Amino acid sequence: GAGVSQSPSNKVTEKGKDVELRCDPISGHTALYWYRQSLGQGLEFLIYFQGNSAPDKSGLPSDRFSAERTGGSVSTLTIQRTQQEDSAVYLCASSLAGTSGAYEQYFGPGTRLTVT
Amino acid sequence: AQSVSQHNHHVILSEAASLELGCNYSYGGTVNLFWYVQYPGQHLQLLLKYFSGDPLVKGIKGFEAEFIKSKFSFNLRKPSVQWSDTAEYFCAVNAAGNQFYFGTGTSLTVIP
Repeated sequence: GAGVSQSPSNKVTEKGKDVELRCDPISGHTALYWYRQSLGQGLEFLIYFQGNSAPDKSGLPSDRFSAERTGGSVSTLTIQRTQQEDSAVYLCASSLAGTSGAYEQYFGPGTRLTVT
Repeated sequence: AQSVSQHNHHVILSEAASLELGCNYSYGGTVNLFWYVQYPGQHLQLLLKYFSGDPLVKGIKGFEAEFIKSKFSFNLRKPSVQWSDTAEYFCAVNAAGNQFYFGTGTSLTVIP
């Protein structure tokens, strides 16, 4: 079946512009995660959605970052007034449920964001 | 804050050599532990996981990992690597909540 998809695969933007990154999770997966992977770094947790519950936003690095998930499916990560330090690969993952990591996360291919 | 340490950043082995990649975490409570692998040009995928029970867990492609609670470790092992094992390996910990903490990864290169 179809896996997690992300778009765009690459995004180059000028400093100060806003960007939107999209994630389509696997159908039926109630949990959705966003991560950021910078060069030489591990995956940094950003935000987590589970069903209709309030998202866990504790990983968002600043108020320029926000995310939403419409209808319990597609999610959009928005970065406002991008800075060069925002350059990274943004990964999305989904799973059947998010309770205490009980289910395997399936990762998308990522969006490589470059801020010039 | 929780942290996950992978001390081997880049490992180079010849085929048939044995592999052990270290993973240590800092959290004193109950944890769920994972190893993910990213083959060149592919997505991250689960290699194996530990939730409870037998501390020696087996994953795909002949990999295994041992959870040693007293050492806060979850090292990945494979007795005989193949060229196709060339990839980036990430250790991850989930503890008391929704967040997953990933290590910085270990790049493994297997020379034929």
